[in-house]
Amino acid sequence: KQEVTQIPAALSVPEGENLVLNCSFTDSAIYNLQWFRQDPGKGLTSLLLIQSSQREQTSGRLNASLDKSSGRSTLYIAASQPGDSATYLCAVVPLQGGSEKLVFGKGTKLTVNP
Amino acid sequence: DTGVSQDPRHKITKRGQNVTFRCDPISEHNRLYWYRQTLGQGPEFLTYFQNEAQLEKSRLLSDRFSAERPKGSFSTLEIQRTEQGDSAMYLCASTLGAYYGYTFGSGTRLTVV
Repeated sequence: KQEVTQIPAALSVPEGENLVLNCSFTDSAIYNLQWFRQDPGKGLTSLLLIQSSQREQTSGRLNASLDKSSGRSTLYIAASQPGDSATYLCAVVPLQGGSEKLVFGKGTKLTVNP
Repeated sequence: DTGVSQDPRHKITKRGQNVTFRCDPISEHNRLYWYRQTLGQGPEFLTYFQNEAQLEKSRLLSDRFSAERPKGSFSTLEIQRTEQGDSAMYLCASTLGAYYGYTFGSGTRLTVV
């Protein structure tokens, strides 16, 4: 059974700092991996999607990497801003099973202090 | 297209009442998913539709839960005889397929009192 773990559970940094969020998964047989952002009481906003054949994806100040063989992904946020404060969720789509459902980690709650 | 819409945004209900939530996916997306998220946890899969067919249901989906997607468009999730343990955020997502990634709605926050 695929399990996704995100470390740390919470992170507090001063504005302007570069930071890395970690995601690990137990089964490397995945279709792809997606990073989401969730603001309190809100739905999920997609940040980056990495296919299993890719190593990284970039969008603005965000860069996500994928090492499928070791079961790891990182989300790098450059020059953090208070508006980046949110919970960041990592999810994989296992190859096994036909529904292509997402399997989520518990998230990392990020606070960027002004 | 304005994305995935969910209604209502918030629902407070008394224990034992029935509630129904609605999800309108992105119009061209044939796949629709329901997830449940409790405080401090990641979303957990509940059920999946491809067009109008419900193809998978999680063991989390007890017999008090039922979901439909008539005509392969919007979907409804009904909970009968609600319990306090049903209090959660119910999220809907749609996609053309995993390759394209998933788009989520804003969710319905259910509170059972």
